[in-house]
Amino acid sequence: DTEVTQTPKHLVMGMTNKKSLKCEQHMGHRAMYWYKQKAKKPPELMFVYSYEKLSINESVPSRFSPECPNSSLLNLHLHALQPEDSALYLCASSQPGSARFEKLFFGSGTQLSVL
Amino acid sequence: AQSVTQLDSHVSVSEGTPVLLRCNYSSSYSPSLFWYVQHPNKGLQLLLKYTSAATLVKGINGFEAEFKKSETSFHLTKPSAHMSDAAEYFCVVSDSNYQLIWGAGTKLIIKP
Repeated sequence: DTEVTQTPKHLVMGMTNKKSLKCEQHMGHRAMYWYKQKAKKPPELMFVYSYEKLSINESVPSRFSPECPNSSLLNLHLHALQPEDSALYLCASSQPGSARFEKLFFGSGTQLSVL
Repeated sequence: AQSVTQLDSHVSVSEGTPVLLRCNYSSSYSPSLFWYVQHPNKGLQLLLKYTSAATLVKGINGFEAEFKKSETSFHLTKPSAHMSDAAEYFCVVSDSNYQLIWGAGTKLIIKP
């Protein structure tokens, strides 16, 4: 199994809603990532978890709250988002250590629209 | 600081003709370099990577790239384009820490 599965594929939410994005992998990877991708732009790193601990937070607003309950799962909790947060949210995984050498496996993403 | 420049925002070729997507990088270190592809409404898939082994790297789907240190380039090529190659392609360089530096992307258009 070389897949990273993200749910839901599409999400529409209001600015007062609370929602969560989910990501799952069963490749035994111990590093997991959240990226944000706006249309026609490269992905931007948001968070990195290594061995279930948050290792990188790229100064992401607190309305985004990541969680890694175990080595296979990664969540992104959303609260009080703004319309400019509308984007494709991508999850990725890899072997831990430096991303310098390691291949990232990406999910297909959740297309989020904030109204 | 490391950076990567994809020289073309769009490349259009006819099916069956060669593909060339250009990428230049700057790096203080011996870099690792990657090409990722993203088909419409899909996630990203690694095409190939260079990590200081052979300078000519072969990837999936018939793509290859050559690392040229003197030119600081890592151009992606394919001898014969297929309609299924239409996608966005990203050149990526690693930095000294954990992160990947992404190019702005090149949209490959295949004409029938």
